[in-house]
Amino acid sequence: DIQMTQSPASLSASVGETVTITCRASGNIHNYLAWYQQKQGKSPQLLVYNAKTLADGVPSRFSGSGSGTQYSLKINSLQPEDFGSYYCQHFWSTPRTFGGGTKLEIK
Amino acid sequence: EVKLLESGGGLVQPGGSLKLSCAASGFDFSRYWMSWVRQAPGKGLEWIGEINPDSSTINYTPSLKDKFIISRDNAKNTLYLQMSKVRSEDTALYYCARFYYYGSRYYFDYWGQGTTLTVSS
Repeated sequence: DIQMTQSPASLSASVGETVTITCRASGNIHNYLAWYQQKQGKSPQLLVYNAKTLADGVPSRFSGSGSGTQYSLKINSLQPEDFGSYYCQHFWSTPRTFGGGTKLEIK
Repeated sequence: EVKLLESGGGLVQPGGSLKLSCAASGFDFSRYWMSWVRQAPGKGLEWIGEINPDSSTINYTPSLKDKFIISRDNAKNTLYLQMSKVRSEDTALYYCARFYYYGSRYYFDYWGQGTTLTVSS
């Protein structure tokens, strides 16, 4: 089974800052990686799929990158609505494991 | 508009059973893979499993394979999760999600609002 290690577990940043969240897979997942945002009390929402393709309607300040076992989600110029939790998920095989999550808080 | 509406959650005693439902609308349910994901209070997301459009392929996370059964009724546009032998660690918010599984693109593009299972005596 592929394990997903996400870091950091929590992150404090200010509006306007740039942050990066990373996910490391225990094996090559060939870019079959998605990122989701979850706000408190809400369902997750798709941000990025295939490691670097933005989902419809996602602002361009979000970007995904990576290959092989290492992937990142970068958020440029943080906006107030960006605070919440972020999860990666691989789709290379089953189980389609999620990373442990990153809670992004306002500094 | 795509909608997924989970129901059937509630309070169950340890060792008990419960069946969750996810009513889908706004898309051709019979053509999509579907998945279940859960989230324990204050914790992260856990993938439970998935089912293909004609129910010929069902995959589970290994630790839940002997307790949970995923099924669907395409005539009723409904996804199900039958849970048995539940324990306190099964207490969670249970989401259904549409699994976009075409070509080389794979992702969960729509999620329901979730239904809560609480396991307690």
